[in-house]
Amino acid sequence: NAGVTQTPKFQVLKTGQSMTLQCAQDMNHEYMSWYRQDPGMGLRLIHYSVGAGITDQGEVPNGYNVSRSTTEDFPLRLLSAAPSQTSVYFCASRTGTAVTGELFFGEGSRLTVL
Amino acid sequence: TQLLEQSPQFLSIQEGENLTVYCNSSSVFSSLQWYRQEPGEGPVLLVTVVTGGEVKKLKRLTFQFGDARKDSSLHITAAQPGDTGLYLCAGVWGAQKLVFGQGTRLTINP
Repeated sequence: NAGVTQTPKFQVLKTGQSMTLQCAQDMNHEYMSWYRQDPGMGLRLIHYSVGAGITDQGEVPNGYNVSRSTTEDFPLRLLSAAPSQTSVYFCASRTGTAVTGELFFGEGSRLTVL
Repeated sequence: TQLLEQSPQFLSIQEGENLTVYCNSSSVFSSLQWYRQEPGEGPVLLVTVVTGGEVKKLKRLTFQFGDARKDSSLHITAAQPGDTGLYLCAGVWGAQKLVFGQGTRLTINP
């Protein structure tokens, strides 16, 4: 029962390096999203997608890129990592486009930028 | 500025006690969700409330949506150590936006 799978679980980068956080879901969900979680800030939406080929920005999109070439995968790219991007990143998906639907989260990816 | 303010941010109580945590906003939300997150895991949905004044119960947890749909509360009766976790409220705002509060970190001591 995989659900939402994120890799890697932990990553350390140096300032200026680039990397991709992977997210895959096996529930055939149309909607996928990326959040970052920082102490005292809750979860903040970075980017989201309502279907293959469609992406849009959330609250904090700067410094991140996404693409959605398949229903299953929604990778998050950090173009040039900065210490301010040190955070725990969560991928989440839900069925349909109704925003009241249940979000299913991955286990998170902890990123440290030195 | 947080659209949704949760209080308290931290709460530590003894097993068997009752507690209430709050989620407040100056904005009106069309619906509101509560999630629980345990260490090293992603949040898991507990409940969605959609109607002003709505009350939902999930075993020892009671969720209420304010009449004006600007606030919500979560009441736990006879708290148990298994209730320990980060409780997040999330409000539906705009067409596709789900906005989260900063969370209440709850610790139940045996």
